[in-house]
Amino acid sequence: DAKTTQPTSMDCAEGRAANLPCNHSTISGNEYVYWYRQIHSQGPQYIIHGLKNNETNEMASLIITEDRKSSTLILPHATLRDTAVYYCIVRKLGGQGGSEKLVFGKGTKLTVNP
Amino acid sequence: NAGVTQTPKFQVLKTGQSMTLQCAQDMNHEYMSWYRQDPGMGLRLIHYSVGAGITDQGEVPNGYNVSRSTTEDFPLRLLSAAPSQTSVYFCASNEGSGNTIYFGEGSWLTVV
Repeated sequence: DAKTTQPTSMDCAEGRAANLPCNHSTISGNEYVYWYRQIHSQGPQYIIHGLKNNETNEMASLIITEDRKSSTLILPHATLRDTAVYYCIVRKLGGQGGSEKLVFGKGTKLTVNP
Repeated sequence: NAGVTQTPKFQVLKTGQSMTLQCAQDMNHEYMSWYRQDPGMGLRLIHYSVGAGITDQGEVPNGYNVSRSTTEDFPLRLLSAAPSQTSVYFCASNEGSGNTIYFGEGSWLTVV
């Protein structure tokens, strides 16, 4: 599985957009970029995923560069409840069941300040 | 629809004791898995299952057993607990290959 690199921590003002970068320069063509977050050691919560096109849902937007070597998760209007550890994960789909695993790094600790 | 349910939420064990962490999902998902998370770390895969009767090892399987007799349940057994198994354990499930993986709320285990 491709390895990802994320900043250890970031701060964001409440109401502003939070832009969380992720580097995955060794990603291969059949690997998706997934984002999860974990609040107060609760179970990881799925946010969004994409292959090569930009994606948007009710929680966030995902921007993937054209060469797919990096991506940015955007929380458009961060709230205090968005304070969490955000994990960028590259996931290979299909093939054997083991490919279904998620390989977690240490993630980015996002703190949203009032 | 409760999602992925784990029990117990908290447990303290003595070294050498055995116990089973329970995981159940009511979404009829084929795939289930167990992860552990140590302080300040990301999650690591222990065991996974792609269907009833089928299990396989993940990244850190030593000291753990699993079985999958039904689609709904995927228990994790600690055979002889060690302090190194003090961790938070998360069960997860997904519908099938490529589908989003959903996690339970975690089970906090302390081995003394």
